[in-house]
Parts: sequence; C-alpha cells; structure tokens
Amino acid sequence: NAGVTQTPKFQVLKTGQSMTLQCAQDMNHEYMSWYRQDPGMGLRLIHYSVGAGITDQGEVPNGYNVSRSTTEDFPLRLLSAAPSQTSVYFCASSAGTSVYEQYFGPGTRLTVT
Amino acid sequence: AQSVSQHNHHVILSEAASLELGCNYSYGGTVNLFWYVQYPGQHLQLLLKYFSGDPLVKGIKGFEAEFIKSKFSFNLRKPSVQWSDTAEYFCAVKGFQKLVFGTGTRLLVSP
Repeated sequence: NAGVTQTPKFQVLKTGQSMTLQCAQDMNHEYMSWYRQDPGMGLRLIHYSVGAGITDQGEVPNGYNVSRSTTEDFPLRLLSAAPSQTSVYFCASSAGTSVYEQYFGPGTRLTVT
Repeated sequence: AQSVSQHNHHVILSEAASLELGCNYSYGGTVNLFWYVQYPGQHLQLLLKYFSGDPLVKGIKGFEAEFIKSKFSFNLRKPSVQWSDTAEYFCAVKGFQKLVFGTGTRLLVSP
C-alpha cells in the first residue's frame, strides 16, 4: 500500500491564482481530512469528509473548497490564493466514519507571493 | 469545544536525559488522546494513543504516556532520549469528527 499520497510536494503561487492540491489513499478509508500547519499554531483542520459525497468544514475553511467524488480522492482547492495561505498542507485519512488513528500524507509546502 | 495545551514549546536535552512533555486537554465527552511525532522533513506519525483501560500507555520507540483524568493531562515520557528523538511532538484529542491538535513541542537532543 502506498498509504496517503499528496501532490505536488512544493508549489509557489502568485496572489489570486487558483490551484488544486491532490490527496489520495489506497486503504479504503472512509474518513479523510485536510490540515494546515503553521509555525507555533500546530495543525488546524480545514475540511473533512466522512465518505464519498459528504464533506464538512473544519476550523479554518475560508478560501478553500473540497469535494469527495470517490473514496480514494479528496482534493483541496484554493480558489484565489492569498499570502495568508502560505503553509504546509497535510492530508490524512482514518478507517471508519469517525476519526481515530489518522494516517498522514507527506505534505505540500505552498508559498503564495 | 475541545482544546489541547502544550506548555513547552521548545525543549533541549542531552542524550540519555529523561523526557516529559506536558499535555493538558479540555473536552466534556469520552476522551481519546494521541501523541504524534514529526521528524525533520517527514510527515506525522502516531506514537501512541489512549482510548480506555490502563491509563499508562506504551508506544513505539520507548515512549509512554499517562492519562490522569483528574488533572486533564496526558503527558509524554521517555526515560532516556536519543539524538534520533529530535523532532516535533504533538498532542491531540479526538472531538466530534475531528482531531484537535496542540501547538507542538520541538525537542532537540544534543549528542
């Protein structure tokens, strides 16, 4: 199993550009989530999904969209990038429809200039 | 709403020293607690977890944590750290449909 994969590893955007961060898992996990990690702030939940077709907001959802058309994939879209979205983004998944032990992807380091 | 506090932001130890990282939580429901570790340049990995039963939980790499309900604490311990334990450590509590993380503690172990 590849586990949780994320692409790209690094990305630089200009303010106002849009892009999609990809996340996929091959463990047939129902629960998937996106976090952002900022220095001194730990990990903050952006959006999560408890199964295909079901998504919900986390602590910091503004400026981000998600969809879950399949169990495997959970892309995160930045609609109009802002410098405040410069961060490291982690995707995670866990078995079942609730969050217990989460498996994290390698992260995407995003810089918005 | 649930929250997690990690009071030590940076800890520096020499090899073979003992480690204790503090974690306090607030949550009104059934508590599930976790410690994750992030080695330099890597993603988060689970160190250990507490769901129920024995409040002293043993994890990987010689780490353990003790759940003390009366103190709302879940401190991480290791009797003798190694240089390879240099990493950032995150405590987390499970809430409704999400994990809530603390702000993390950076541990530097000098050889």
